[in-house]
Amino acid sequence: GEDVEQSLFLSVREGDSSVINCTYTDSSSTYLYWYKQEPGAGLQLLTYIFSNMDMKQDQRLTVLLNKKDKHLSLRIADTQTGDSAIYFCAESNNQGGKLIFGQGTELSVKP
Amino acid sequence: ETGVTQSPTHLIKTRGQQVTLRCSSQSGHNTVSWYQQALGQGPQFIFQYYREEENGRGNFPPRFSGLQFPNYSSELNVNALELDDSALYLCASSWGDVGQETQYFGPGTRLLVL
Repeated sequence: GEDVEQSLFLSVREGDSSVINCTYTDSSSTYLYWYKQEPGAGLQLLTYIFSNMDMKQDQRLTVLLNKKDKHLSLRIADTQTGDSAIYFCAESNNQGGKLIFGQGTELSVKP
Repeated sequence: ETGVTQSPTHLIKTRGQQVTLRCSSQSGHNTVSWYQQALGQGPQFIFQYYREEENGRGNFPPRFSGLQFPNYSSELNVNALELDDSALYLCASSWGDVGQETQYFGPGTRLLVL
């Protein structure tokens, strides 16, 4: 079946790098996404990667995809207090447009 | 800002009542998806509409129904509300129907069922 797993919490110091990990089970995933959710808000798209890519970089964000191990990671360089939020990994395939989300990783950035 | 708007922002209902939530898509988008996010969980897919037709449905009972209008705005209707329906309801708009298009989310409607 389809399942996406994330660790629940991550705490880092301001200025450090953060790495948020995600594993998924659906080998037919075509796109994988990272969304950010701040308290009381909706989901903000951060970045996405197509399944035939290994890496994508977008300013402070680096996405790494290991398709063999079905492992996705999001690295945030120079983490700031404004990066404190819940980060969701999500996958999509060709089945009716749905995104399958993980449970979310709460990132806490300490000054 | 994604350009996706939802109304109302908050809503309180009692068990057994019916509710209608509304979503206005980002300009140029013809597809809308609805998700339910319970507290502390990731969003769960309810259904998607493409050009006014249902294009996929998650594991939700028939009392969850939807509509998409010619201007691509959308409604989510929930009948016979249950306490477990208390959640944040998110809509997302995108362009296209093949399930790979990036979805942009609105701020959500927080529903409390008492």
